[in-house]
Amino acid sequence: GENVEQHPSTLSVQEGDSAVIKCTYSDSASNYFPWYKQELGKRPQLIIDIRSNVGEKKDQRIAVTLNKTAKHFSLHITETQPEDSAVYFCAASNPSSNTGKLIFGQGTTLQVKP
Amino acid sequence: GAGVSQSPSNKVTEKGKDVELRCDPISGHTALYWYRQSLGQGLEFLIYFQGNSAPDKSGLPSDRFSAERTGGSVSTLTIQRTQQEDSAVYLCASSQNPVQGEGTEAFFGQGTRLTVV
Repeated sequence: GENVEQHPSTLSVQEGDSAVIKCTYSDSASNYFPWYKQELGKRPQLIIDIRSNVGEKKDQRIAVTLNKTAKHFSLHITETQPEDSAVYFCAASNPSSNTGKLIFGQGTTLQVKP
Repeated sequence: GAGVSQSPSNKVTEKGKDVELRCDPISGHTALYWYRQSLGQGLEFLIYFQGNSAPDKSGLPSDRFSAERTGGSVSTLTIQRTQQEDSAVYLCASSQNPVQGEGTEAFFGQGTRLTVV
């Protein structure tokens, strides 16, 4: 089955710097890759997602890149702000398979220092 | 509209007791997921329902765990003979049917915090 590895587990940056979180997946048939942000004590919420027919997607300060050949994808946050501090999870799934379950990475705790 | 709703929000139970956790997905969502999140840890997949297909139970940690989804809507996660290591937040999520094989956003409930004493 699908396995998602996420690195680093913790990341500390200065406000205004960029942050990059990387994930690899094992199932080459996976075609949907969302990223979720979970603030302390709250539920995970989608911040951006990418499908396998594109290599990059941007939304303001957030971008995601996908390398299908290498089976890895990354989240890029530019001009980080203190409110970006949270736990970020990547995930992968193959929705068209018999089991389109969403498998998550282990999470990255991002701390943005003012 | 209403989001994913879970009940109870908190549950304290004695070791050895059975518990039932409920999830009301967003109306019309065909996919429903259960995850377990231990303190400071990631989202551990438990079970996945998609429409009328047989559920994917591959993540259930033991035969003490089971889940049902009645009428394609409400789901109940049951833990029998609870143990202290079952203490965690149990999260439910739902999503729309994939469109042309493409994934859609999964919306999470607020979770049920289970404490086994």
